Amino acid sequence: KAGVTQTPRYLIKTRGQQVTLSCSPISGHRSVSWYQQTPGQGLQFLFEYFSETQRNKGNFPGRFSGRQFSNSRSEMNVSTLELGDSALYLCASSFVPGLVRDTQYFGPGTRLTVL
Amino acid sequence: AQTVTQSQPEMSVQEAETVTLSCTYDTSESDYYLFWYKQPPSRQMILVIRQEAYKQQNATENRFSVNFQKAAKSFSLKISDSQLGDAAMYFCAYRSSDHMRDKIIFGKGTRLHILP
Repeated sequence: KAGVTQTPRYLIKTRGQQVTLSCSPISGHRSVSWYQQTPGQGLQFLFEYFSETQRNKGNFPGRFSGRQFSNSRSEMNVSTLELGDSALYLCASSFVPGLVRDTQYFGPGTRLTVL
Repeated sequence: AQTVTQSQPEMSVQEAETVTLSCTYDTSESDYYLFWYKQPPSRQMILVIRQEAYKQQNATENRFSVNFQKAAKSFSLKISDSQLGDAAMYFCAYRSSDHMRDKIIFGKGTRLHILP
């Protein structure tokens, strides 16, 4: 079974631009979560989507948004980029049978650099 | 709010020796999941081991085992017969069993060096 895939793997943008990152979960997985990883703050939860609905959101400004499609693929968008948005963005998927919590499997990440 | 603390930013161990990575957490919930993830220099986060809080038996996966002390809110990872490929950043993580709070809370990580 193919793992979680993220595109693009690397991205360079300038301040003020916007960016869209994509995540394809493991086949059959319906939950997708996004995390931001930086050397200073570590891994921080951005948001989680299940069945095209955002169920949970971390403490990030409204410039960070996301969505999930009917095939469970997810995108996250960051508008008006700031230097501090430079980070590794990780996507994780999990299979959610009913209310059973399951393990999240991570993708390789997208390295975003904001100049 | 839940928190996860890894008090050892870096550790080193001789190849073939055993090393224990510490993790403590704070929660008011009674049912939850705990994980150890490994992130090698390639950056792919890999699940090492998981533990359900309702299970008293400590989880084991080959050379990796945990010491889960629910009352003490402690969740340490023991790596036996350390190998060069074990060198990575290790993250302890907490996940609520409440699907409305479905996010993983990570510790800051412990960088493990394997000495040949």
